[in-house]
Amino acid sequence: AQTVTQSQPEMSVQEAETVTLSCTYDTSESNYYLFWYKQPPSRQMILVIRQEAYKQQNATENRFSVNFQKAAKSFSLKISDSQLGDTAMYFCAFMKPYNDMRFGAGTRLTVKP
Amino acid sequence: NAGVTQTPKFRILKIGQSMTLQCTQDMNHNYMYWYRQDPGMGLKLIYYSVGAGITDKGEVPNGYNVSRSTTEDFPLRLELAAPSQTSVYFCASSYAGGSYTFGSGTRLTVV
Repeated sequence: AQTVTQSQPEMSVQEAETVTLSCTYDTSESNYYLFWYKQPPSRQMILVIRQEAYKQQNATENRFSVNFQKAAKSFSLKISDSQLGDTAMYFCAFMKPYNDMRFGAGTRLTVKP
Repeated sequence: NAGVTQTPKFRILKIGQSMTLQCTQDMNHNYMYWYRQDPGMGLKLIYYSVGAGITDKGEVPNGYNVSRSTTEDFPLRLELAAPSQTSVYFCASSYAGGSYTFGSGTRLTVV
C-alpha cells in the first residue's frame, strides 16, 4: 500500500522569506501523480501544485515550486516570498492513475508578520 | 460554477441517530469520493465511486453506506452514529481519476 509521510507537524516562517515543506512516499509504481493541497482556516481544500512522475522537470506555480526526487521518493514544496495568506495546513498526496488519493498527516504552516 | 456542493456544513447528532450527508457536483465528473479528516491524521478514504451504479469501499468504510444513482449525486449515509464518527467529512470529484475538486466539508459531532 502506498504511504505518504510528512515529518514536520508544524513550521513557521517570517513574511517574505522562503520555507520548504517535506514529503516522502512509498510506492513500487513507476507511473503516478503527486500533489500539494492547502487547507486554510476556512477548511476548503485548495490544489497548490501537481507533479506527474514521468516528468523530470519540477512543477512550479507562481511562488510555489516542488523538488521532485523520484529515486529518493521525495516531493518537497518550496514557498517563496511567504505571505500571511499562506498560513494554512498543507497536505502532500499520492495517486496512482485511476485510483484514489492518499494523503499525508499534514504540516501546519504559520507565516509571521 | 458551483463545483462540489456539500450539505450540511455543520451537524450535531446524538448517539444512535442516523443521517445522510449530501454531495452534488455539476462538472460531469465520473469519479466521486468521501473522506474523513481527523486531527493529525490527514484524510482517510471512506467510499468511492467510478460512475453511476458503481461504488466500492475505501480504508475506513465501517459504519457508513453510499449510493450513486446519478452522475451528479453521491450521498453518504451514517447509520447508528457513534462518537468515533465525530470528524470533518469531505466529498470530492474528479474526471477519470485526475486532480480532485473538493467540497467545503461537513463538521459532524456525535454526542
